[in-house]
Parts: sequence; C-alpha cells; structure tokens
Amino acid sequence: DIQMTQSPSSLSASVGDRVSITCRASQSISSYLNWYQQKPGKAPKLLIYGASSLQSGVPSRFSGSGSGTDFTLTINGLQPEDFATYYCQQTYNTPPEGTFGQGTKVEIK
Amino acid sequence: QDQLVQSGAEVKKPGASVKVSCKASFYTFTSYGINWVRQAPGQGLEWMGWISPLNGNTNYAQKLQGRVTLTTDTSTSTAYMELRSLRSDDTAVYYCARDDCRTTSCRIYYGMDVWGQGTTVTVSS
Repeated sequence: DIQMTQSPSSLSASVGDRVSITCRASQSISSYLNWYQQKPGKAPKLLIYGASSLQSGVPSRFSGSGSGTDFTLTINGLQPEDFATYYCQQTYNTPPEGTFGQGTKVEIK
Repeated sequence: QDQLVQSGAEVKKPGASVKVSCKASFYTFTSYGINWVRQAPGQGLEWMGWISPLNGNTNYAQKLQGRVTLTTDTSTSTAYMELRSLRSDDTAVYYCARDDCRTTSCRIYYGMDVWGQGTTVTVSS
C-alpha cells in the first residue's frame, strides 16, 4: 500500500502569510496527487488535482507542485477563510483508490 | 449544479449493519465513479472503497474487506454503502464522492470533485 505523510501536522500563521504544506509518498505516484481543504462540519473541497492543476473556482493564491514522491501545497497571501485542515491524497493505483495524508491544520497566529 | 445527496443520520448497536445512500443529480451517473470516505470524530479522512456505476465493479480498502459492500441503482442514480458487524470505532461521518474513473483499469486523475454532505453513523450500545 502507498503511504502518504504530510508535514507539518499543524501550523500557525497570520493573514497575508505565505504557507507551504508538504506531502511525501512512500513510492513514486507520478502526478496522481490531489489536495483538499476541509472546514469543521463540512465535506472536503477539492483544491488541486494532478499535483498542480487548480480546480475550477478555486482562488489562484492556491498552488501545487511536485511529482514522484514529494509534493507541496502553497497558499500565497493567507486569507481568513483559508484557516482549515488540508489533506493530500494519492490516486495512483488501479483499480481506483485514494489514500489520504493525515492532514495539516492551519490555525490563526 | 452536479450534486450528491446522502441519507440521514443513523444510530446502531454493535454488531448491527448500516446502509447509507447517496443520490446523484444533474449529471450522468454512469459516467463517473463513486468513492466512500469516512472520518471518525477528530480524525482524518479514510478512503473506504470505490464503485463504478457503469458496470458495478468495486475496489475496497483492505482494512474493510469482508465487512463493506458498495452497490448502485442506476434507475435512481443512487449509490449505497453497507457496513456490517458494526463496532464502536465505526462511529464516523461517512461521505460519498465522485471521481473521473468508470472502469477498474483507470487511475483517478481529476480528484474527487463532488462530495455528499456526509452521514453521521453512531455505533453505541
């Protein structure tokens, strides 16, 4: 099974900051990496698919990079509505599956 | 707007079974796959399994093999998740989510773009 490890598990940041979250896969997953945002009591929301493609309707301050085993989600200019938990997910294997990282909680400093 | 609407909250006793529904609207049900993801209180997301509404093919998380069954009813555009032999650690919010795969030979590339609102399942004696 492919394991996904996110870091950090939590971080504190201020509005306007640049924030980066990393995700490492236990084996190469090419670009089959997605990022989600989840707010308390809500379903996850897809932000980035294919490691770096922005989902329709998602603000351009969100960006993704990486391939193989190492990936990064970056938020440029953190906004109040961005305080949430972020999850990476690999979808490399067939039949279709989708293992998640353990999550990164972004809190207000 | 494409949407998935799930059935309401359930309370079950240990050892019982639960069946959660997920009704798709405003898109062609058989053109996408459906995943089930759960989240225990205060915990992260756990992928449970995938089903193709096109042909009923499935893939289950190894941890849940033998206890979970995914099915679909194409006449009503509804997906179902049944979990048996419930334990207290099955207490969670259960989500359905759409992906871009219709067959078992496909890799999900465009992520899980439409999610249901979640169904709370509580297992308690």
